[in-house]
Amino acid sequence: KNEVEQSPQNLTAQEGEFITINCSYSVGISALHWLQQHPGGGIVSLFMLSSGKKKHGRLIATINIQEKHSSLHITASHPRDSAVYICAVRSATGNQFYFGTGTSLTVIP
Amino acid sequence: DGGITQSPKYLFRKEGQNVTLSCEQNLNHDAMYWYRQDPGQGLRLIYYSQIVNDFQKGDIAEGYSVSREKKESFPLTVTSAQKNPTAFYLCASSPAGGIGNTIYFGEGSWLTVV
Repeated sequence: KNEVEQSPQNLTAQEGEFITINCSYSVGISALHWLQQHPGGGIVSLFMLSSGKKKHGRLIATINIQEKHSSLHITASHPRDSAVYICAVRSATGNQFYFGTGTSLTVIP
Repeated sequence: DGGITQSPKYLFRKEGQNVTLSCEQNLNHDAMYWYRQDPGQGLRLIYYSQIVNDFQKGDIAEGYSVSREKKESFPLTVTSAQKNPTAFYLCASSPAGGIGNTIYFGEGSWLTVV
């Protein structure tokens, strides 16, 4: 069973396109995280959400708690955005994290 | 700067050998985690620790062992009992559970069995 489901699994876009990655979860959560993993493996946290919407530069993350769904949007995509984007949720008890399988994004110049 | 340091970055192991991956954090976090990442799969939890001298098995603990003697350190030993150890290993830490606490990751360690 996967507590967190992401789509699409792979995504190729032309530079400048608007990109959306979706995440659905099935457990009670205290927060949802969007993570970015570059080649070489290191992971950084982009957003942590418990409600509403957050924006950082060209990145926007939204969450709908009632529908247990979140989206990550990238506006005016650029080749440097190419990475794996991972959705993760922190359990309502706060003790564990559950991860999606990631979306591999390639932005072509 | 605060962060998580994993070492080594790359490690080769002969079959039948135990190897230990180091994870050190200077973020003063209570919770530390070890995850395994395989191609096409999400991160899977091996072990986690919420406090010094205490740790719990995750979903795939067989063939692994950990210790938490100090708050800053959470080493992972991949034993010879782990049948398929070639993978990417990530250490993470976070403040104690609760709303508003994020998770931080190390750079990861690539383990290859030769």
